Amino acid sequence: EPEVTQTPSHQVTQMGQEVILRCVPISNHLYFYWYRQILGQKVEFLVSFYNNEISEKSEIFDDQFSVERPDGSNFTLKIRSTKLEDSAMYFCASALEDRTETQYFGPGTRLLVL
Amino acid sequence: AQKITQTQPGMFVQEKEAVTLDCTYDTSDPSYGLFWYKQPSSGEMIFLIYQGSYDQQNATEGRYSLNFQKARKSANLVISASQLGDSAMYFCAMREAYGSSNTGKLIFGQGTTLQVKP
Repeated sequence: EPEVTQTPSHQVTQMGQEVILRCVPISNHLYFYWYRQILGQKVEFLVSFYNNEISEKSEIFDDQFSVERPDGSNFTLKIRSTKLEDSAMYFCASALEDRTETQYFGPGTRLLVL
Repeated sequence: AQKITQTQPGMFVQEKEAVTLDCTYDTSDPSYGLFWYKQPSSGEMIFLIYQGSYDQQNATEGRYSLNFQKARKSANLVISASQLGDSAMYFCAMREAYGSSNTGKLIFGQGTTLQVKP
């Protein structure tokens, strides 16, 4: 069964460093999302991406964040200068269609900023 | 205002019994979807079940069923014959079809931790 994959599973970084989180969505999906979950809290939407551009971003998704689909398969989230409060689990999700189809989540990347 | 409310931070259930996890939602969108995801301690988000706002029947997927009461704006998850492996965090989520953004983003509740006792 096709699945969303994410790398790395865990990342530890120093405050101020750049990190890139990688995702490979399900191959025929067209809509891509990043969510984040701070430990013990609910899952929060960061950004949606379709047709090689951002469709929507939340207040959390400030200038330090960017997303890219550099090739036909990868979907990346970059945090330019990490802050302590960026420590969280980051989930990538993909869907075949935005309004009616289920979003399938990757296993997540646990980011720890020291 | 909270769009998705899960009022039970934690629940216990005896193995083999049924359990209901509550979820209420708030939307003015006539078309929306409701989802339940399971998050075990390993952290991944596992899709369980989906209910569309226009679906006439309650969704079922194996041991999972969704008790959809549109007038009450509730979408409770029912797990029948609980198993030890059901112990996890459960999230209710909503997607509005014609919301301000119209990009299909999911809005999550706070989650309910379910513990299945042997």
